[in-house]
Amino acid sequence: AQTVTQSQPEMSVQEAETVTLSCTYDTSESDYYLFWYKQPPSRQMILVIRQEAYKQQNATENRFSVNFQKAAKSFSLKISDSQLGDAAMYFCALNAGNNRKLIWGLGTSLAVNP
Amino acid sequence: NAGVTQTPKFQVLKTGQSMTLQCAQDMNHEYMSWYRQDPGMGLRLIHYSVGAGITDQGEVPNGYNVSRSTTEDFPLRLLSAAPSQTSVYFCASSSFSGGGYNEQFFGPGTRLTVL
Repeated sequence: AQTVTQSQPEMSVQEAETVTLSCTYDTSESDYYLFWYKQPPSRQMILVIRQEAYKQQNATENRFSVNFQKAAKSFSLKISDSQLGDAAMYFCALNAGNNRKLIWGLGTSLAVNP
Repeated sequence: NAGVTQTPKFQVLKTGQSMTLQCAQDMNHEYMSWYRQDPGMGLRLIHYSVGAGITDQGEVPNGYNVSRSTTEDFPLRLLSAAPSQTSVYFCASSSFSGGGYNEQFFGPGTRLTVL
């Protein structure tokens, strides 16, 4: 079975500081994709970053980067220079092999303190 | 491109009523899906489709029907609404590349309340 676990239901960070959100997953597939999605209070789900398992280099999108540890099946999200607009729910998701479904974690609620 | 559109944004139903949540995408995506989101339970897949004429059940399909007559549209039907179906519903779509499905694009969601 494929699973995604986000062990931190809530986190907080000071504005301009760095925060790391954790995600671990489990799959027996060798070919898969991992995603981080952001859901702000507006409810709109927004893709933050994507990582292909065959790529060793960690994905980066501006202030957002991942630490992809394939052997440990870990996929953490680092947010640098946190901004008030980063406050949101963050979801980790896995798409493995020919699975037609995304497997979702339960999310981490991030608060950004001014 | 409008992306993924959903209507309505809000809906209140009485127990036993039926309704259809509309979803459309203009990106020519093969894959479309419906999720419900409840507090503390993340996103749960209701039904999905990998192309016109092909649908399959997700993890919580009971009480819902879908059809996919065109690539663009994927409506979700509530046959006889129950209070347990009070939730926020999201439609999503994605394309398929050689290694698997790409990221999903989401609609703005529908907040449904069943009294």
